[in-house]
Amino acid sequence: NAGVTQTPKFQVLKTGQSMTLQCAQDMNHNSMYWYRQDPGMGLRLIYYSASEGTTDKGEVPNGYNVSRLNKREFSLRLESAAPSQTSVYFCASSEKTGALGGYTFGSGTRLTVV
Amino acid sequence: SQQGEEDPQALSIQEGENATMNCSYKTSINNLQWYRQNSGRGLVHLILIRSNEREKHSGRLRVTLDTSKKSSSLLITASRAADTASYFCATDTGSYIPTFGRGTSLIVHP
Repeated sequence: NAGVTQTPKFQVLKTGQSMTLQCAQDMNHNSMYWYRQDPGMGLRLIYYSASEGTTDKGEVPNGYNVSRLNKREFSLRLESAAPSQTSVYFCASSEKTGALGGYTFGSGTRLTVV
Repeated sequence: SQQGEEDPQALSIQEGENATMNCSYKTSINNLQWYRQNSGRGLVHLILIRSNEREKHSGRLRVTLDTSKKSSSLLITASRAADTASYFCATDTGSYIPTFGRGTSLIVHP
């Protein structure tokens, strides 16, 4: 099915470990985003990529890095995981920033840092 | 802080009833979007209303926007058990990156 695919769906890390969350979309969208969702906090933007070759910080970028590998793929890396990064991470895409058609979201990665 | 805030935080109704949830925001917007999130899933885009529009419909959904009060409402008519989900408003203030509220949790009892 067309859409946004995130891997893995679940992950448990120890404090200080690193990992990369993968995201791929097959809708030929230009813009891609990484959000985290915490209870009672709504969604907060970590990083976004308006188009291939560009990335920009969002509201909560500290502790994360991103790579826009190509038009389809946008990865999120935690270099040294901390318990405060326990969250559900969502990747999303849109035709372009400001797209009036809204975002298409992946099903999320539930990350626990112990 | 969140640009948009949904109210109420939780809503519990019977199947067949209408469900109304509200979103208030603080600064001028270009557009406002509503999303639905089923448990354990990503968000699904429902409807977008531009700042120069006052009302939009999509199936059983009706969205209104009052820019003078900086508020929007989402009405789901004749609710079904399958409408059970969290609903979020997202406001675009011109940065083209919408800011999401904390959501309203809707439970529709069969």
